[in-house]
Amino acid sequence: ETGVTQTPRHLVMGMTNKKSLKCEQHLGHNAMYWYKQSAKKPLELMFVYNFKEQTENNSVPSRFSPECPNSSHLFLHLHTLQPEDSALYLCASSQDVGLGGYTFGSGTRLTVV
Amino acid sequence: AQSVTQPDIHITVSEGASLELRCNYSYGATPYLFWYVQSPGQGLQLLLKYFSGDTLVQGIKGFEAEFKRSQSSFNLRKPSVHWSDAAEYFCAVGASGTYKYIFGTGTRLKVLA
Repeated sequence: ETGVTQTPRHLVMGMTNKKSLKCEQHLGHNAMYWYKQSAKKPLELMFVYNFKEQTENNSVPSRFSPECPNSSHLFLHLHTLQPEDSALYLCASSQDVGLGGYTFGSGTRLTVV
Repeated sequence: AQSVTQPDIHITVSEGASLELRCNYSYGATPYLFWYVQSPGQGLQLLLKYFSGDTLVQGIKGFEAEFKRSQSSFNLRKPSVHWSDAAEYFCAVGASGTYKYIFGTGTRLKVLA
């Protein structure tokens, strides 16, 4: 399988639940990103990993916890979310940080009830 | 302040007609500019990018964009729109050595048969 794969595609969770989003890339890229896409708002960069090391946390609340065990996999652990966290969460990768031209996954549509 | 503006939230064109989507930016450094397309339920796909050189850049799916520094614009064009081009289009700006790309809020394109 090629490209960036995100699972699950859809997720409904209660505010007290704990869940995880998974992202996998088979492109040999060194940088991976989590973005949040909400209706009528620009994409919000959440986290950046370069060679498995977190290089950016864009003031994201601690109820979102990223994990990057290797350059091919990225997780976003979720706990005690709020309804306003409902959004499309997009994973992206690039060859290196700063060179642009991201490859995005199809996203996980998260609904917090 | 750094920003990207896509003035048109929605655009409707007839199939076979020409298309121009507007993008204006405000950025302190020499910008890297991108156009992405997002089909319903999908992630973003890179259409084209401008780093330097020829100000008219060609992309995939028959799209092109022109960088006009004097107008701080990077408009996307296509001579003849196909029904499959119906999607949301995002302009983004960044700079060399940074992964903090700023995205516009998008333009949703509707194509009439």
